[in-house]
Amino acid sequence: TQLLEQSPQFLSIQEGENLTVYCNSSSVFSSLQWYRQEPGEGPVLLVTVVTGGEVKKLKRLTFQFGDARKDSSLHITAAQPGDTGLYLCAGVGAGSYQLTFGKGTKLSVIP
Amino acid sequence: GAVVSQHPSRVICKSGTSVKIECRSLDFQATTMFWYRQFPKQSLMLMATSNEGSKATYEQGVEKDKFLINHASLTLSTLTVTSAHPEDSSFYICSATKPGLAGGSEQYFGPGTRLTVT
Repeated sequence: TQLLEQSPQFLSIQEGENLTVYCNSSSVFSSLQWYRQEPGEGPVLLVTVVTGGEVKKLKRLTFQFGDARKDSSLHITAAQPGDTGLYLCAGVGAGSYQLTFGKGTKLSVIP
Repeated sequence: GAVVSQHPSRVICKSGTSVKIECRSLDFQATTMFWYRQFPKQSLMLMATSNEGSKATYEQGVEKDKFLINHASLTLSTLTVTSAHPEDSSFYICSATKPGLAGGSEQYFGPGTRLTVT
């Protein structure tokens, strides 16, 4: 069974601060996806990383896939209240379509 | 695009009745769809994998006779909660797989269905 450890579980910061969310595993993933979920809604795909060492940027969000494809991070620069939500990382194992989800990081950005 | 819809968005039913939830991929064909449930303040838990034209594969601990899944076409999968009980109350979310632009595959999620069993 592949497990994804996501940290921190909760994060409350002031508007304008930077933050990083981590996802770590002892397993190798063929790809890793980051989602953001609002209360009462389904997760929305933010990015997919496939190549070890890959870095992708989405406005103020920077996603990195570890060289060994076992870990990933999400960095948010100058957080805004609109960034508030549950951030989920999810990995896809080799030869599989199934996603293994981390437990999520509940982010609150205080104005 | 990759839009997935779910219907209904909310449903309240009485204990012992059955409820059907539909999941549709609106602008792409999905040979594989997934069903998840999510309890408050928790992450998504995979219930089953639904493949078009074949029987669903259920995760350990999920009763296949209670959670009936039908994937009749490349754009529609249904989950029927049979003889629902209050402990079945949860947020049910489906997803559909679409080949990713950078290789691999990506899952796109529906908006979820809030089921409350009274």
